[in-house]
Amino acid sequence: DVKVTQSSRYLVKRTGEKVFLECVQDMDHENMFWYRQDPGLGLRLIYFSYDVKMKEKGDIPEGYSVSREKKERFSLILESASTNQTSMYLCASRSGAVANQPQHFGDGTRLSIL
Amino acid sequence: DAKTTQPTSMDCAEGRAANLPCNHSTISGNEYVYWYRQIHSQGPQYIIHGLKNNETNEMASLIITEDRKSSTLILPHATLRDTAVYYCIVIRGNTPLVFGKGTRLSVIA
Repeated sequence: DVKVTQSSRYLVKRTGEKVFLECVQDMDHENMFWYRQDPGLGLRLIYFSYDVKMKEKGDIPEGYSVSREKKERFSLILESASTNQTSMYLCASRSGAVANQPQHFGDGTRLSIL
Repeated sequence: DAKTTQPTSMDCAEGRAANLPCNHSTISGNEYVYWYRQIHSQGPQYIIHGLKNNETNEMASLIITEDRKSSTLILPHATLRDTAVYYCIVIRGNTPLVFGKGTRLSVIA
């Protein structure tokens, strides 16, 4: 079974802090994704990566950056956290070597910015 | 990517088949239909996907019409644990998933 692990289930940080959300997958997947989910707005794509050291902006990249130094790990960085970044953050991975494979998600990190 | 239309909510009696419809009338030839579900406070869970043939796995069946403009996800014997939001998504190749609002399925005892 694919395992996508997000480092924290719940996280509380303060406005202005630099926040790191970590995601690790154990299936040697090339593609990795970060989404946020908010009531009434659904899941929205922040950033994604098709391979190591590659990154692509999603629909809402402002205020975020990412790092993909190793294939199994994809980090989402909030450079200076703000209250409007309070949300559920979801990481996913997918094989890029084989076409039309499903994305598999972690259980999410519920982040509160105070 | 093609847009999808799903009912906002549905109810199903426990033990009965749950049939969740999805309209994707603008689907193009190389786009796949994916189904995911999200149980409260968990990440989305992959269920099944297909191109044009009907598909079945241990969780569900996917029926795609011959013109590919609509599909139905079938949970053959719904249980209370199947209560979730179900998302129908159409994408091509290795593009990222784009989630709509989905269908909230309530399985009732």
